[in-house]
Amino acid sequence: KAGVTQTPRYLIKTRGQQVTLSCSPISGHRSVSWYQQTPGQGLQFLFEYFSETQRNKGNFPGRFSGRQFSNSRSEMNVSTLELGDSALYLCASSPQTGGLWGALKANYGYTFGSGTRLTVV
Amino acid sequence: AQKITQTQPGMFVQEKEAVTLDCTYDTSDPSYGLFWYKQPSSGEMIFLIYQGSYDQQNATEGRYSLNFQKARKSANLVISASQLGDSAMYFCAMNPNNYGQNFVFGPGTRLSVLP
Repeated sequence: KAGVTQTPRYLIKTRGQQVTLSCSPISGHRSVSWYQQTPGQGLQFLFEYFSETQRNKGNFPGRFSGRQFSNSRSEMNVSTLELGDSALYLCASSPQTGGLWGALKANYGYTFGSGTRLTVV
Repeated sequence: AQKITQTQPGMFVQEKEAVTLDCTYDTSDPSYGLFWYKQPSSGEMIFLIYQGSYDQQNATEGRYSLNFQKARKSANLVISASQLGDSAMYFCAMNPNNYGQNFVFGPGTRLSVLP
């Protein structure tokens, strides 16, 4: 089956611009999470969407936003780019359903994409 | 706040030998999940193994096993019979509440397998 697809794979933007990254989850997965990975800060959670609603949010400024569509595809947007936003952005999807079994299934089914490498110059 | 600590920035192991990667965690939640991921140079995070906080037995997945010591808050990964393809970054992660996905990751350990 197809994995988690992130587009584009690489991106170069200028400071001050905005950028939109896309994540298509595995078919049937309803939860999509986003992470930022930098050499200095490591992997940090950005936000999670479930059924088009933001369910969890990390500690990032308001310049970072996201949304999820009815087909579970998700986008994240970064406005007014700064040099420090250069990073690998990873998204992950899971087949979260209700109950304890759903949670267990979600944990085992949590799958990452290959990431979008954003460079801000 | 939840935190994951991996004290080994880099590790070397001879091919076919076993290696243990250390991970300690800090959380006040009674229910949580612990994970190990492998990240090769391509960047993709590859799931290796999962341990739930209420699981009585240590998790095993093929050559990977998780040495879970709840009282010490440690979740070390053991890789048996190392292979050259095991060379990668390894991350320990915690899902703080076991519902929803908002993982906390450790800084990672770079494992190099020597021929």
